[in-house]
Amino acid sequence: QKEVEQNSGPLSVPEGAIASLNCTYSDRGSQSFFWYRQYSGKSPELIMSIYSNGDKEDGRFTAQLNKASQYVSLLIRDSQPSDSATYLCAVIKAAGNKLTFGGGTRVLVKP
Amino acid sequence: SQTIHQWPATLVQPVGSPLSLECTVEGTSNPNLYWYRQAAGRGLQLLFYSVGIGQISSEVPQNLSASRPQDRQFILSSKKLLLSDSGFYLCAWSGGLSSPLHFGNGTRLTVT
Repeated sequence: QKEVEQNSGPLSVPEGAIASLNCTYSDRGSQSFFWYRQYSGKSPELIMSIYSNGDKEDGRFTAQLNKASQYVSLLIRDSQPSDSATYLCAVIKAAGNKLTFGGGTRVLVKP
Repeated sequence: SQTIHQWPATLVQPVGSPLSLECTVEGTSNPNLYWYRQAAGRGLQLLFYSVGIGQISSEVPQNLSASRPQDRQFILSSKKLLLSDSGFYLCAWSGGLSSPLHFGNGTRLTVT
């Protein structure tokens, strides 16, 4: 079992719709969770951090964390063609310094 | 504000040649520093991380090495490159435990 798992996609979403991305992790002691966006040929950029169970909203992005079920999700509302990218889920184990990344979900927003 | 510089942006090297990639961080002190590699169409693989000067943790045994000669400088090296070393190399920093990583622009290395 991979430490951090994501569906590779592509997730095809019509413009204006909600894109829903999921991520599961294996270490129950994990404490810190992040979503990164990576455009083709570019480096990842941080879009959301979440540390507590529940929802966290930032603009059109909402991160959801459920530690009991060991999953974290990302919702992108009002999806735009500029949201087309690969989204990486990353997890830090308890009291750790290292981020472990999932393989990423490729999102395609079609006009 | 903090910035991270990584160079060169692209590099083409023959098999068996040496490698040196450099990364520097500005605007923060005592950052945690990281080297990741991303092979084409693949995920991010942690190669090395450092929590302080001269402190290097290696995650994957290979022909690469890392050094941290100064607080905000991180260097990735190889004495002899292999074809399998081709990839996108990313340097990153974080502010400490449980903090997110912030990436440099990356170096695309092609070993021919």
